[in-house]
Amino acid sequence: DAKTTQPNSMESNEEEPVHLPCNHSTISGTDYIHWYRQLPSQGPEYVIHGLTSNVNNRMASLAIAEDRKSSTLILHRATLRDAAVYYCILRDGGSQGNLIFGKGTKLSVKP
Amino acid sequence: NAGVTQTPKFQVLKTGQSMTLQCAQDMNHNSMYWYRQDPGMGLRLIYYSASEGTTDKGEVPNGYNVSRLNKREFSLRLESAAPSQTSVYFCASTQFAAGGRSSPLHFGNGTRLTVT
Repeated sequence: DAKTTQPNSMESNEEEPVHLPCNHSTISGTDYIHWYRQLPSQGPEYVIHGLTSNVNNRMASLAIAEDRKSSTLILHRATLRDAAVYYCILRDGGSQGNLIFGKGTKLSVKP
Repeated sequence: NAGVTQTPKFQVLKTGQSMTLQCAQDMNHNSMYWYRQDPGMGLRLIYYSASEGTTDKGEVPNGYNVSRLNKREFSLRLESAAPSQTSVYFCASTQFAAGGRSSPLHFGNGTRLTVT
């Protein structure tokens, strides 16, 4: 399964937008891009996913590059509750297989 | 709607002891997963079950066994616990349909296991 690369950590100020990048240069045509976040002492929770087009939901936006080799999770106004580890993973929509998580990006939000 | 339920929440074992971690989901999902997370690290896949009656190895299967008891339940067994298995264990489930839209993973809140 294709792997993803994310920065280890990022910082943001409260109420400012945050752009979390993810590289997935070996993505295949049937791979969906999923984002999850993990708050301290909790299990990961789903944030958003997409295949080719940009996606919006109540939590965030997902911007997918035209060649699909990278994507960006956008939090429009960071709050202190958004401080978490964010994981970008690839899910093959054509077959069942391993769902591999990397180390993710630890986002710190400063008041 | 409980989602994914894991039991127990905490467990302390001595080296060599055995135990089974339980996971149940009430969302009628066909696929279930077991991950471990060591301090300051990401999640690593231990085993997964694509559907009832099937199981497959993930990245770190050594020292573990799994059973997909029915569609709802997926258990993880440590036959002879070792200190290296001290970790937080997460169970997850999702609905997979080949050629269909990708659906999210739903995670439990984890079992914190310490092996002394």
